[in-house]
Amino acid sequence: GAVVSQHPSRVICKSGTSVKIECRSLDFQATTMFWYRQFPKQSLMLMATSNEGSKATYEQGVEKDKFLINHASLTLSTLTVTSAHPEDSSFYICSARDPPSGATYNEQFFGPGTRLTVL
Amino acid sequence: AQTVTQSQPEMSVQEAETVTLSCTYDTSESDYYLFWYKQPPSRQMILVIRQEAYKQQNATENRFSVNFQKAAKSFSLKISDSQLGDAAMYFCAYRIYNDMRFGAGTRLTVKP
Repeated sequence: GAVVSQHPSRVICKSGTSVKIECRSLDFQATTMFWYRQFPKQSLMLMATSNEGSKATYEQGVEKDKFLINHASLTLSTLTVTSAHPEDSSFYICSARDPPSGATYNEQFFGPGTRLTVL
Repeated sequence: AQTVTQSQPEMSVQEAETVTLSCTYDTSESDYYLFWYKQPPSRQMILVIRQEAYKQQNATENRFSVNFQKAAKSFSLKISDSQLGDAAMYFCAYRIYNDMRFGAGTRLTVKP
């Protein structure tokens, strides 16, 4: 299957600083990318959906100004956590979907995740 | 809104035995996809099996099979001949268009 990478895999930052997480589709062009957050022992919660070249669509309750998403190319999406606080500490997972090729189904691939710890 | 419910937070199975994980979902749509994902300690999400709602035949992937009951909105996962490597969190997921929602997960322990 296709590969989605995330960088960094782990990051520790001080409260009040900003952190950028990159998500790349390595061998396919992803017109749509998704960002999820997973707290310990909990499920994946969708934060936002982004389409290449357009603004991201955020889920209810997710602060747009705090979690900035940029999907500038078909292989790269970034999530920037601005003015991070300890409650933002979580596991962030990106996911990418390849463009439909005429088939009715296109697979969604997941990155390995980024563990963010805010001190 | 679509919801996915996994009523078993934890399950345990003896190696080589069979275990079934439950999942129910709520939707008013008729065409959608259902998935089971495995998340091992590495946290990488791994697709176990996929079911298209328009297909009546239950999906099967080697030791993994599903029991899809569309009218009952039920989608259970059966793992046969359980192996130690099957130990992980299992998430049931529902997807329609760009929207994929996950259940709370079931932690599966495999006893040697």
